[in-house]
Amino acid sequence: GENVEQHPSTLSVQEGDSAVIKCTYSDSASNYFPWYKQELGKRPQLIIDIRSNVGEKKDQRIAVTLNKTAKHFSLHITETQPEDSAVYFCAASHGYKLIFGSGTRLLVRP
Amino acid sequence: EPEVTQTPSHQVTQMGQEVILRCVPISNHLYFYWYRQILGQKVEFLVSFYNNEISEKSEIFDDQFSVERPDGSNFTLKIRSTKLEDSAMYFCASSEDEGADTEAFFGQGTRLTVV
Repeated sequence: GENVEQHPSTLSVQEGDSAVIKCTYSDSASNYFPWYKQELGKRPQLIIDIRSNVGEKKDQRIAVTLNKTAKHFSLHITETQPEDSAVYFCAASHGYKLIFGSGTRLLVRP
Repeated sequence: EPEVTQTPSHQVTQMGQEVILRCVPISNHLYFYWYRQILGQKVEFLVSFYNNEISEKSEIFDDQFSVERPDGSNFTLKIRSTKLEDSAMYFCASSEDEGADTEAFFGQGTRLTVV
């Protein structure tokens, strides 16, 4: 069945360093790839998304890249800050639903 | 900024009881979803709903689950006879446009605890 793999499961970086989270998906028909940030006990919040007709998208310190051939997409956070600490989920569209990755717990050390 | 709202924020119920989780999607949105997240795990799709019909449902969404849009604003998830393993955070979401390839806005969730 459809699946989204996400790595790493935990990531610890020093404040100011970059963080990269990677996902792979199985359904070649997926055409929408959002990234959600979830703080403890709160709702997932969309931070950036990308569609299959685009290879890269940037929004200030956050960027997402997509390689449709390899079925890979990645989240890049530059100049990390302590408030970036959270769980990040990637997702891929499949029909009328989103399939989520298993999440990456990012810790930014001050 | 418009938000998806869910009630209650926390529901405790005895095993075998029925629960109804309520959601008010964003007013001009047409697609509605329920997802759940067991503590410490990933978000899992339950069901999508459009034009008063289920568009898609997952294996989790068995005969014990049902959804309804009883009026123009509410969207409900009913679990007929709760099991311990139904304990999870349930998120409602809505999106403006067709399919899953547009931004889905999530509610703040209902934490369901089955005892």
